[in-house]
Amino acid sequence: KAGVTQTPRYLIKTRGQQVTLSCSPISGHRSVSWYQQTPGQGLQFLFEYFSETQRNKGNFPGRFSGRQFSNSRSEMNVSTLELGDSALYLCASSPASGGASGDIQYFGAGTRLSVL
Amino acid sequence: AQSVTQLDSQVPVFEEAPVELRCNYSSSVSVYLFWYVQYPNQGLQLLLKYLSGSTLVKGINGFEAEFNKSQTSFHLRKPSVHISDTAEYFCAVSRRGTSYGKLTFGQGTILTVHP
Repeated sequence: KAGVTQTPRYLIKTRGQQVTLSCSPISGHRSVSWYQQTPGQGLQFLFEYFSETQRNKGNFPGRFSGRQFSNSRSEMNVSTLELGDSALYLCASSPASGGASGDIQYFGAGTRLSVL
Repeated sequence: AQSVTQLDSQVPVFEEAPVELRCNYSSSVSVYLFWYVQYPNQGLQLLLKYLSGSTLVKGINGFEAEFNKSQTSFHLRKPSVHISDTAEYFCAVSRRGTSYGKLTFGQGTILTVHP
């Protein structure tokens, strides 16, 4: 089975622009979660999507948004970029099939976003 | 709410020596526990997990961890490390039952294995 695929791997943007990141989950996985990783704040949960619905959200401003498509692929969008948005953005998928094993998350390689 | 504390930010060790990376958690509800490893410029790879049952869990690459409910700890151990184990290690928890996709991570421990 192919793993979680994130595209692009690297992005450079300037302040004020917007950006869209893409995540393709493991085949059959229905839940997609997004995380931001920075040296100062570590790994922080952004949001989770299941069956095209946002089920959970972390403590991030509304500039961070996402969506999930019917094939479980997910996109994350950041509008009006700020310097502090520079980070590694990680996507994880899980089966969400019920039971403990259904909740295990598998991560992609991430998209490294640099805001200049 | 859950929180995770990794007690050491950096752990240097010589090759073939044993290592223990410490993790404590706090939660008002029952949790699942995980250890992930991150190599440079890569994502997170699942090392091992505690979901239920035996409190001693074995993972990939010779790592193991023990869940101690009374001490709310989940320390990671390896009896003999290799140079290739050099990486950053993250302890994480999720709410038992359904986490709605949220893992809470510790700040990470950088393990450096010296020849």
